[in-house]
Amino acid sequence: AQSVAQPEDQVNVAEGNPLTVKCTYSVSGNPYLFWYVQYPNRGLQFLLKYITGDNLVKGSYGFEAEFNKSQTSFHLKKPSALVSDSALYFCAVKGYQKVTFGTGTKLQVIP
Amino acid sequence: EAGVAQSPRYKIIEKRQSVAFWCNPISGHATLYWYQQILGQGPKLLIQFQNNGVVDDSQLPKDRFSAERLKGVDSTLKIQPAKLEDSAVYLCASSSDRGINQPQHFGDGTRLSIL
Repeated sequence: AQSVAQPEDQVNVAEGNPLTVKCTYSVSGNPYLFWYVQYPNRGLQFLLKYITGDNLVKGSYGFEAEFNKSQTSFHLKKPSALVSDSALYFCAVKGYQKVTFGTGTKLQVIP
Repeated sequence: EAGVAQSPRYKIIEKRQSVAFWCNPISGHATLYWYQQILGQGPKLLIQFQNNGVVDDSQLPKDRFSAERLKGVDSTLKIQPAKLEDSAVYLCASSSDRGINQPQHFGDGTRLSIL
């Protein structure tokens, strides 16, 4: 069965500092991986995806993610955090037709 | 392009009552999903439609939940009768089938409270 783990419930980072939100996955076959962001009382918004190719994927709002096959990880990164980045972040993996989401990581950017 | 529309945004009912949610996906999106998101958790897939056929409903509590997608466009999700543990946000999402592994586009959800 496929699964996604987001080991940190919350990540705190100072504004202007780099941020990392961690994600590890388990899936049969080639992994298709996604990051979404959720603001309060809103649906999820797509940030970026990894299908194949370059291990460093660039997405919306300056976010990027690094795919590491040997560590089965897909960590979300941003070089310089903004207060407006504060939100709930979800990692997701797609197996055969089905998508599984992680439990989410709350990112708090401190001014 | 217009996003995924859901209504109502909020609903409060008593346990054992019935409730229905409506979703209008992005025009042209063949795949439609209903998720349940309990506070503090990630979205859990309830049902996935491809056009008007069901692809996956393995996590749908079929004794009380039902969903339909007539004509492959709009969809409704119904709960009858509701239980306290059904309190959650119900999210609808859609995706295009142009190319593999297209991202999902989510509506803002319906927040359901069961008294």
